[in-house]
Amino acid sequence: DVVLTQTPVSLSVTLGDQASISCRSSQSLEYSDGYTYLEWYLQKPGQSPQLLIYGVSNRFSGVPDRFIGSGSGTDFTLKISRVEPEDLGVYYCFQATHDPYTFGAGTKLELK
Amino acid sequence: EVQLVESGGGLVQPGASLKLSCVASGFTFSDYWMSWVRQTPGKTMEWIGDIKYDGSYTNYAPSLKNRFTISRDNAKSTLYLQMSNVRSEDTATYYCTRRLPGSDYWGQGVMVTVSS
Repeated sequence: DVVLTQTPVSLSVTLGDQASISCRSSQSLEYSDGYTYLEWYLQKPGQSPQLLIYGVSNRFSGVPDRFIGSGSGTDFTLKISRVEPEDLGVYYCFQATHDPYTFGAGTKLELK
Repeated sequence: EVQLVESGGGLVQPGASLKLSCVASGFTFSDYWMSWVRQTPGKTMEWIGDIKYDGSYTNYAPSLKNRFTISRDNAKSTLYLQMSNVRSEDTATYYCTRRLPGSDYWGQGVMVTVSS
């Protein structure tokens, strides 16, 4: 199975700071069709996960442009510029390139 | 408004069977792949499987394939997860999601607790 390693496990930030989360895959996530099925989700406390990014860098409808996904192959990053209170929670990366699809263990974004 | 509402969870004994349902509304259910995902009490996320929009194809996590079955009834806009021979490690919150790619909508989740 593909292992997604997220770092850091937790991240303490001040509101307005930039935050960066890494997701490294044990295999390349580029599919044979050229697409990379790497997604990012945010789970706020007490809520279901919500989609932020799909296809490495495509923001889902309504997601603020301070969320930026990047990367290729096995290394991916989610950057959040100017962290706001509603950005706090646990971030998960997810790959749907290789069966079985897998999630990272999560990165908790909290206030310093 | 897109809504996904799961039901059917609860306390179940080891070895028993359980069927979860997910009723969809606010979109044409038969146009979309759907999936089930679960989250353990320790917050680990696990993909269970997907089903094609017409129900003709399913894909499962190998570790669950022999005990879990995903199906759908497009006439009722309902997704199902049949769980059999449940174990303590199946204790989790179960979510249904709409797949695009990207799971753009999630249900509120339903808790399943396996315990004697």
